[in-house]
Amino acid sequence: NAGVTQTPKFRVLKTGQSMTLLCAQDMNHEYMYWYRQDPGMGLRLIHYSVGEGTTAKGEVPDGYNVSRLKKQNFLLGLESAAPSQTSVYFCASSYSDRTYGYTFGSGTRLTVV
Amino acid sequence: AQSVAQPEDQVNVAEGNPLTVKCTYSVSGNPYLFWYVQYPNRGLQFLLKYITGDNLVKGSYGFEAEFNKSQTSFHLKKPSALVSDSALYFCAVRDETNAGKSTFGDGTTLTVKP
Repeated sequence: NAGVTQTPKFRVLKTGQSMTLLCAQDMNHEYMYWYRQDPGMGLRLIHYSVGEGTTAKGEVPDGYNVSRLKKQNFLLGLESAAPSQTSVYFCASSYSDRTYGYTFGSGTRLTVV
Repeated sequence: AQSVAQPEDQVNVAEGNPLTVKCTYSVSGNPYLFWYVQYPNRGLQFLLKYITGDNLVKGSYGFEAEFNKSQTSFHLKKPSALVSDSALYFCAVRDETNAGKSTFGDGTTLTVKP
């Protein structure tokens, strides 16, 4: 029962480098989300997807791109990392029925130097 | 737009005492309300939810929450706190008209002292 798996768990990037964070879920959830968590700011939605092949912008999408080519995977890309993107990134998934809560991954701690 | 406020950054209680973590919300439609808990270096875990019906909902680990529509509040409670309840707690609202997106509060750190 893996649930939501995020890779990698930790990463240090230099300013300007690119990387992709992978989120995989095995619960056949329709909806998937990427959040970032910063101290004192709660969780802020970056991008989300309501189904395979669809993506949409959240509250703080600038500097990020996403893709959902397969239902079980949701990728978050940073094309040119900036120190302001230092954060902990969480992926979550849920059924399309909004009465269900989210299932979260364990997070990726990203530091941009 | 929907929003959630957790007015206390930190709540401290003694083990065995009752605890309350406060949450107020604002939505345009019917509120779907959730509480999540985050232990250090872990992802968030679902605790409980209010969708409709009884205003007092029960969840995991002995937690419960009281929904109050007139005060737009959804406070998390537990009759007797444990040291192991120490964690970061998030309230969230899921608007029925908003593509399933959740808005989270800033979180409240609960510390239970022996």
